[in-house]
Amino acid sequence: GQQLNQSPQSMFIQEGEDVSMNCTSSSIFNTWLWYKQDPGEGPVLLIALYKAGELTSNGRLTAQFGITRKDSFLNISASIPSDVGIYFCAGQGGMYSGGGADGLTFGKGTHLIIQP
Amino acid sequence: DAGVIQSPRHEVTEMGQEVTLRCKPISGHNSLFWYRQTMMRGLELLIYFNNNVPIDDSGMPEDRFSAKMPNASFSTLKIQPSEPRDSAVYFCASSFSVTYGYTFGSGTRLTVV
Repeated sequence: GQQLNQSPQSMFIQEGEDVSMNCTSSSIFNTWLWYKQDPGEGPVLLIALYKAGELTSNGRLTAQFGITRKDSFLNISASIPSDVGIYFCAGQGGMYSGGGADGLTFGKGTHLIIQP
Repeated sequence: DAGVIQSPRHEVTEMGQEVTLRCKPISGHNSLFWYRQTMMRGLELLIYFNNNVPIDDSGMPEDRFSAKMPNASFSTLKIQPSEPRDSAVYFCASSFSVTYGYTFGSGTRLTVV
């Protein structure tokens, strides 16, 4: 089945530093999503990308959908303590013909730890 | 909007017992997903429904697992009999269409002893 390779597995950075993480796949995806998960909670959507080459920002977050449709990256600028958590990339293969949504394939996550 | 509501938040049960996890999706969403999260395997899709119809259950690990969606506002994931290796956090998520991100519930932490 489809697999997503997410890296790095963990990051220890200083507050104020920029962060970069990425995901690669052996398969093509039509949609790339980036989620953040806090302890004891479900993942929360940060950014969604729907078109190859698309570059999207959400505040200090920037994500890109790779041209080959097999990769995506997420950057966080000027990290702050509340950025701590686990970041997941997720890919979706396409629209189910019935008009609903397909299931997502998730990467293993990047644990972001920020030292004040 | 109350979001996706899962119950219970925590469940501790003995091996061999039946476990039922519940999910109420966001009103108006027509797709519902059940995921399992473990340290070893990360987030795994178990099954998903579109318009209350199961579309893909290839992620369901064994016949001990079953899921139903009797109407647009309710779904259950049942494990019978439960085993210690079923211990994980089970998430329900819902979506309106492929053009929208999924909204996850807060999860049910299942511990089978």
